[in-house]
Amino acid sequence: QKEVEQNSGPLSVPEGAIASLNCTYSDRGSQSFFWYRQYSGKSPELIMSIYSNGDKEDGRFTAQLNKASQYVSLLIRDSQPSDSATYLCAVEGYNFNKFYFGSGTKLNVKP
Amino acid sequence: EAGVTQFPSHSVIEKGQTVTLRCDPISGHDNLYWYRRVMGKEIKFLLHFVKESKQDESGMPNNRFLAERTGGTYSTLKVQPAELEDSGVYFCASSQGGYRPTDTQYFGPGTRLTVL
Repeated sequence: QKEVEQNSGPLSVPEGAIASLNCTYSDRGSQSFFWYRQYSGKSPELIMSIYSNGDKEDGRFTAQLNKASQYVSLLIRDSQPSDSATYLCAVEGYNFNKFYFGSGTKLNVKP
Repeated sequence: EAGVTQFPSHSVIEKGQTVTLRCDPISGHDNLYWYRRVMGKEIKFLLHFVKESKQDESGMPNNRFLAERTGGTYSTLKVQPAELEDSGVYFCASSQGGYRPTDTQYFGPGTRLTVL
């Protein structure tokens, strides 16, 4: 079983729509969760971090965490073509020194 | 503030050769991590330095891989001898250290290694 699971996509949404990206993880002891965005050939760029159950909003992005169900999600409101990228879910390991990544979900926002 | 830098951006070598990858973390960051992404797979942890000390090298595939961090600044990852399965993108990340609940890791652009 992988530590972090993501649907590889591609997920296609029209411009202006809400994009919903999901991630599940296996280690119940995990405390910290991250969403990175990666454009092709570029470095992963941190978008959001979340540590507590519930929602965390930052501009057009909302991260949601449910530790009981072991899932994390990222909502992108008013999606733009520039949001087209691969979104990586990362979970911090129980020993606080490594991240476990999902394989990433490729998002396509169509004009 | 400069981000994490990696050199080279691409490297193509033949099986059996040696390659050395370099990472310069963000200035002042005590923690330095190496990760690898093999084609079609997820990014996987290789090892973690705190300053010049190896904190965790549980992800290193085998003894053909050697990582060092001179004086707690830049780090090198040497693969000797390289095998075909070592091909992939090697990412370096750094974090400041000492912050809980977590310590954000900032990633470099990666080095794409191709072993022929």
